Amino acid sequence: DAKTTQPPSMDCAEGRAANLPCNHSTISGNEYVYWYRQIHSQGPQYIIHGLKNNETNEMASLIITEDRKSSTLILPHATLRDTAVYYCIVRGRDNAGNNRKLIWGLGTSLAVNP
Amino acid sequence: NAGVTQTPKFRVLKTGQSMTLLCAQDMNHEYMYWYRQDPGMGLRLIHYSVGEGTTAKGEVPDGYNVSRLKKQNFLLGLESAAPSQTSVYFCASRPSSGGGNEQFFGPGTRLTVL
Repeated sequence: DAKTTQPPSMDCAEGRAANLPCNHSTISGNEYVYWYRQIHSQGPQYIIHGLKNNETNEMASLIITEDRKSSTLILPHATLRDTAVYYCIVRGRDNAGNNRKLIWGLGTSLAVNP
Repeated sequence: NAGVTQTPKFRVLKTGQSMTLLCAQDMNHEYMYWYRQDPGMGLRLIHYSVGEGTTAKGEVPDGYNVSRLKKQNFLLGLESAAPSQTSVYFCASRPSSGGGNEQFFGPGTRLTVL
């Protein structure tokens, strides 16, 4: 199962873009990259996912390198409410070899400062 | 829609006591999951279910049992609680098809075992 590496913490000024990097050098060709975030004391919240192409939705953009060994989550205009732990996750396999579970790391703690 | 709800929100147990955590979802999702989250560690999958009447072990199943008698409910049981099971427990659900692997999480249950 592919693992991910993220910086433990980052800071960002309110209104600026927050760029959160993730390394997943062992990702296989058919594994997706998912991003979730967890605001303090709440359950995780889905943000975005992608396979090869860059993706954008109302929350964020996901840039995946051509070799798929790393990706960057971009919050274009960070607000104080974006302060959270951001998880970059690669979908793994269960004991039967089926793609079922998400492999969670420690994430990046993003602090958006006024 | 209430989404994913968890009962109770907080609980304190003594070693050896038993309890059941209830997860309910009103989105007609096939898949449901139980995770635990401990300080300094990512979310770890305890058990999951791909449909009514089916369950499977996750990464850390020992000491827990689950049941999925109804599609909307996923119960997590602790038969004999131990201090090592002090944790925050999250339930999640997702549809079996369509979209990505977006999981919808509940607000969590904070369990302390003395």
